[in-house]
Amino acid sequence: QVQLVESGGGVVQPGRSLRLSCAASGFAFRSFVMHWVRQAPGKGLEWVAVISDDGSNKYYTDSVKGRFIISRDNSRNTLYLQMNRLRPEDTAMYYCVWGLGSWGQGTLVTVSS
Amino acid sequence: QAVVTQEPSKTVSPGGTVTLTCASNTGAVTSGHNPYWFQQKSGQAPRTLIYDTTKKFSTTPARFSGSLLGGKAALTLSGAQPEDEAEYYCLLSYNDARPWVFGGGTKLTVL
Repeated sequence: QVQLVESGGGVVQPGRSLRLSCAASGFAFRSFVMHWVRQAPGKGLEWVAVISDDGSNKYYTDSVKGRFIISRDNSRNTLYLQMNRLRPEDTAMYYCVWGLGSWGQGTLVTVSS
Repeated sequence: QAVVTQEPSKTVSPGGTVTLTCASNTGAVTSGHNPYWFQQKSGQAPRTLIYDTTKKFSTTPARFSGSLLGGKAALTLSGAQPEDEAEYYCLLSYNDARPWVFGGGTKLTVL
């Protein structure tokens, strides 16, 4: 069955960086678009970024453009989100989503001094 | 910049029918927006119910259906069960540099 396991979350100071990973299994990872979606505590879902199957096309929501980088390693079946210049408003649960159909359980990022 | 709007809350009686809607400030929602619907219960990760306006996943209960209604995307629940109490989010696709936008969510109470 499809499994998506996020990791890399934690507490980080404003302005610092963090890299999230999502290990995928149970499907042909290299053939599918992958997304990151986040949810701030007590708030709604926010789409963050998407990457094409071969990694050649990437799109971001405005609030993370220039700070976050989505990437993938199809040889390792792993999706990444490099988050730079983090802000307190980036505090959220970050979900890895396969083609908008299957969701991981999320990894919590807290940006606080 | 696109803004997607949902009703903040709705209440349905057990066994009743309710329709949640999803509107775009750019105009009528069409099949070209590839509407998705997600369910999120308290403390859980979201779950995808509907994609491409009307299509269901194998795990989507038959009582949920998607459609276009009056220029909006719609999610109809027919025969509400207590376990359907949750937050429901829609997601629309736009052909620009920020291709996906969530609505703010509808809190559905089964009472």
